[in-house]
Amino acid sequence: GEDVEQSLFLSVREGDSSVINCTYTDSSSTYLYWYKQEPGAGLQLLTYIFSNMDMKQDQRLTVLLNKKDKHLSLRIADTQTGDSAIYFCAEKSSGYALNFGKGTSLLVTP
Amino acid sequence: DAGVIQSPRHEVTEMGQEVTLRCKPISGHNSLFWYRQTMMRGLELLIYFNNNVPIDDSGMPEDRFSAKMPNASFSTLKIQPSEPRDSAVYFCASSPGPENNEQFFGPGTRLTVL
Repeated sequence: GEDVEQSLFLSVREGDSSVINCTYTDSSSTYLYWYKQEPGAGLQLLTYIFSNMDMKQDQRLTVLLNKKDKHLSLRIADTQTGDSAIYFCAEKSSGYALNFGKGTSLLVTP
Repeated sequence: DAGVIQSPRHEVTEMGQEVTLRCKPISGHNSLFWYRQTMMRGLELLIYFNNNVPIDDSGMPEDRFSAKMPNASFSTLKIQPSEPRDSAVYFCASSPGPENNEQFFGPGTRLTVL
């Protein structure tokens, strides 16, 4: 299937901004998603963006999409220790199936 | 709303035993998904139901795996016989419909096969 790639690990200091990056290969992707997984929990949908948009902001979260480069990023402003989790990028090209990356572990240090 | 409910949360069994995982989707959701999460392969879609009918089971690893959805509020994923390589976290997710953009995940069942 098509690939979704993410870096495995990111560490930031509390109060700084975090930027988690994702690349994908399917040029027909219509929606791109960010999910958050806390230890021992399921995946929580944070936000998603339609492929004809290039930016979406929701409180501390900003999603940037560069469709030409097939690059998606999630910026978390004023990162808190409670933001420590695994963040998954996913894409959907048609119908129902989501194609997930392997996740980026975000560690926020005091 | 209680969200997607899965049981059990943890399951430890011995190789060769039958394992049944359960899922209750969010009320009113017509689409249900079973995923498996491992370190090596990440999240993989196993099977997708729409209106209780299996639409795509191409992700089911082999005949030892089977899934049913007898009604709109319940689904099972069965492994018989189980093997150590089936150890993983199994997630159920539901969505209002096949074209809806949001999938809501349950807390998962962590399966360990010894």
